Amino acid sequence: AQKVTQAQTEISVVEKEDVTLDCVYETRDTTYYLFWYKQPPSGELVFLIRRNSFDEQNEISGRYSWNFQKSTSSFNFTITASQVVDSAVYFCALSFIMYSGGGADGLTFGKGTHLIIQP
Amino acid sequence: GAVVSQHPSRVICKSGTSVKIECRSLDFQATTMFWYRQFPKKSLMLMATSNEGSKATYEQGVEKDKFLINHASLTLSTLTVTSAHPEDSSFYICSTLGEGPLLDYGYTFGSGTRLTVV
Repeated sequence: AQKVTQAQTEISVVEKEDVTLDCVYETRDTTYYLFWYKQPPSGELVFLIRRNSFDEQNEISGRYSWNFQKSTSSFNFTITASQVVDSAVYFCALSFIMYSGGGADGLTFGKGTHLIIQP
Repeated sequence: GAVVSQHPSRVICKSGTSVKIECRSLDFQATTMFWYRQFPKKSLMLMATSNEGSKATYEQGVEKDKFLINHASLTLSTLTVTSAHPEDSSFYICSTLGEGPLLDYGYTFGSGTRLTVV
């Protein structure tokens, strides 16, 4: 069975502070994919990143960065110099995807971290 | 990129009636469609997986007679909540998996349907 744990239910920081959202996962699959999504109050899910289990390179995209550590089964997300517009619920998710024609699993989501950026 | 159009975005219905939610893939063929449910301030829970032309596979604890899923074409999947009750009030989101280059983004989500049963 797959499981994603986001231990931080809610984080509140003041604008311009850096903030890290934790994600720990469990899976028996050797090939798997990890995702981060942002969910603003409107409800739609905004894709942030996808990472497969064979790629442990850290990634940076503007103010966002991700740290993938297979040894600790963690895929943490850091926002540098946070802004009020970053306020949202952030979900970490896990799946086992097979390529076209091979079927696919749905996503297993963590419980989400509600990030509040105060001006 | 891949776009999934989900309608309606909001619906209020009376207890005992049925509600249909549609998800259409606009620019690609969605072989597989996933349906999720999200209670307020909670996570998204996978309800079922449907493949075009075959019966949906439901997750444990999800009543298949209550949540009817039809995936009759490669561009349309529907979820019908039958005999809705207030406890069915929730946010329902569909998702599909891109193919080819679209797979680079993994899953594409609809914008969600907020169902309120009164």
